[in-house]
Amino acid sequence: GEDVEQSLFLSVREGDSSVINCTYTDSSSTYLYWYKQEPGAGLQLLTYIFSNMDMKQDQRLTVLLNKKDKHLSLRIADTQTGDSAIYFCAVSNTGNQFYFGTGTSLTVIP
Amino acid sequence: NAGVTQTPKFRILKIGQSMTLQCTQDMNHNYMYWYRQDPGMGLKLIYYSVGAGITDKGEVPNGYNVSRSTTEDFPLRLELAAPSQTSVYFCASRSTSGGSYEQYFGPGTRLTVT
Repeated sequence: GEDVEQSLFLSVREGDSSVINCTYTDSSSTYLYWYKQEPGAGLQLLTYIFSNMDMKQDQRLTVLLNKKDKHLSLRIADTQTGDSAIYFCAVSNTGNQFYFGTGTSLTVIP
Repeated sequence: NAGVTQTPKFRILKIGQSMTLQCTQDMNHNYMYWYRQDPGMGLKLIYYSVGAGITDKGEVPNGYNVSRSTTEDFPLRLELAAPSQTSVYFCASRSTSGGSYEQYFGPGTRLTVT
């Protein structure tokens, strides 16, 4: 299977930008996602990018994809306390099976 | 729409007992998935289904069984529960249309085996 890695923790001050990083091993990964999980809840899709794109922007969220390095990042601008959650990177090459990273726990300090 | 619902929310099992985790979706999605989430380990795919009557193994299928007799339901069966199956279990579904292949997740079932 594919290995997807993320750092476990990130702490930022309210109003700063957050950058969450993810690396994966399968260069044929076509669909790449960022999901958010709040305490006691399931995952919710934040944004996604296809492998034929380098960047995608959606309001405060910017996704960057470096296919050569197999590196995906999520930037959250003007981070708010409500952004405190666990963020998961997920990848798939066929849309049948999805591989998730370990999750990055984001803490926003007021 | 209720989305993806899972029952029960919590369960404690003794070693060797069996149980079925229920999952239902009302979005007419063909694809359904079962994941387990262990602390610091992310989500691991147990089984998935691409439609009624069709199931396939994921990364960690041992100790589990599934069936898919209807589009809506995708139960996960644990036979002979072991402490290693203590985890949070998530069911998810996705449509075959739309292009993004977004998965919709249920709220999870927290299972403890002692």
